[in-house]
Amino acid sequence: SAVISQKPSRDICQRGTSLTIQCQVDSQVTMMFWYRQQPGQSLTLIATANQGSEATYESGFVIDKFPISRPNLTFSTLTVSNMSPEDSSIYLCSVEVGQGNSDTQYFGPGTRLTVL
Amino acid sequence: AQRVTQPEKLLSVFKGAPVELKCNYSYSGSPELFWYVQYSRQRLQLLLRHISRESIKGFTADLNKGETSFHLKKPFAQEEDSAMYYCALSPRGNNRLAFGKGNQVVVIP
Repeated sequence: SAVISQKPSRDICQRGTSLTIQCQVDSQVTMMFWYRQQPGQSLTLIATANQGSEATYESGFVIDKFPISRPNLTFSTLTVSNMSPEDSSIYLCSVEVGQGNSDTQYFGPGTRLTVL
Repeated sequence: AQRVTQPEKLLSVFKGAPVELKCNYSYSGSPELFWYVQYSRQRLQLLLRHISRESIKGFTADLNKGETSFHLKKPFAQEEDSAMYYCALSPRGNNRLAFGKGNQVVVIP
């Protein structure tokens, strides 16, 4: 298993500013993922972050808006840039642990972002 | 592209009654299907996956490729089953999960 923490747990931000969310895991993992959950919606994958390479973004998400860092095997950050009220969401990181058919994604507690 | 549909947003059942959460998917390749659960004030966690073919907390789910479904079932609901349930899909060998919108289950004592 894996224990994941996120900082901050919540924040209220002004339009046009940026927020960096941190994700820390208690063990070394290869793959980390960032998801967004907008109000009343499901979780949507933003990007996959592997250590030592550029993050891979899903359709509809771009690096300029959501830059990601992955400096080592236990840590990642997601920045929400130039925020607008539409960015108000819960942002979650997850990590994959295990191999083959037994690999499992473990999720962090989420960061609740409100943009005014 | 993969898509997961959970048609019912809220499901209320009495304790001891059966519960079934519907999940349909669309994906052209070979998928892996999962059910995730989020209890109140807890983080999202894996409940079960179709590959394991196991029963977790009394829940089972069978992958029906003909109907492209992965419905979650439990014969006798318990109060502690009250939670948010998400069906999810990933392409086989690729762990990029696509989630459904979720079902809020309320078990009435």
